Amino acid sequence: QVQLQESGPGLVKPSQTLSLTCSVSGGSITRGFYWSWIRQTPGKGLEWIGYIYDSGATFYNPSLKSRVMISVDTSKNQVSLKVNSVTAADTAVYYCARAPNGVPGLDYGLDVWGQGTSVTVSS
Amino acid sequence: DIQMTQSPSSLSASVGDRVTITCRASQSISRYLNWYQQKPGKAPKLLIYTASTLHSGVPSRFSGSGSGTDFTLTISSLQPEDFATYFCQQSSITQWTFGQGTKVEIK
Repeated sequence: QVQLQESGPGLVKPSQTLSLTCSVSGGSITRGFYWSWIRQTPGKGLEWIGYIYDSGATFYNPSLKSRVMISVDTSKNQVSLKVNSVTAADTAVYYCARAPNGVPGLDYGLDVWGQGTSVTVSS
Repeated sequence: DIQMTQSPSSLSASVGDRVTITCRASQSISRYLNWYQQKPGKAPKLLIYTASTLHSGVPSRFSGSGSGTDFTLTISSLQPEDFATYFCQQSSITQWTFGQGTKVEIK
């Protein structure tokens, strides 16, 4: 079955760019899915960061939109996340997750998640 | 954005108990509501999608109901492996949001 694995540096300095990769195995990044990033902190719980789907269209959380970019590399079967100008508030566990395209009236939810990767922003 | 409020934030229950968790949306989301279970140190797992459809492999003691702004997740007979934190998530609009979570603890 499809598995997701996040990777990237566990420590990022303030004001720098956080870059994470989600490697997809057991299936290809094809049309028909929303590839999402979500983060979790003890204080704010689960926070949706954004997703990319089908044609490459992206949607981002308005609170992060100016600093975030999600992209897909189909040749490598990977989804990437970049967060610019990070602060301590970006310290979190970051998850990638997949949601199948729904139809009107039906949404299939985030059915596959990676194990998550912990990122600390500190000098 | 749409705010999702879960209640209670935590509860204590015994094995065999019937447990109900509520999720309320700040505006109508039709039935675009999903439920997840998360255990410490692990990623969330999908339990229920579109308010009431059980995800593949999820035990039938889990059920979901509701529409509009009010939704419930029910565990009919709590099992030892069900002690965890439960989250709701709306997908009614392109900006998805999660509830703050309900922690189910052993009494």
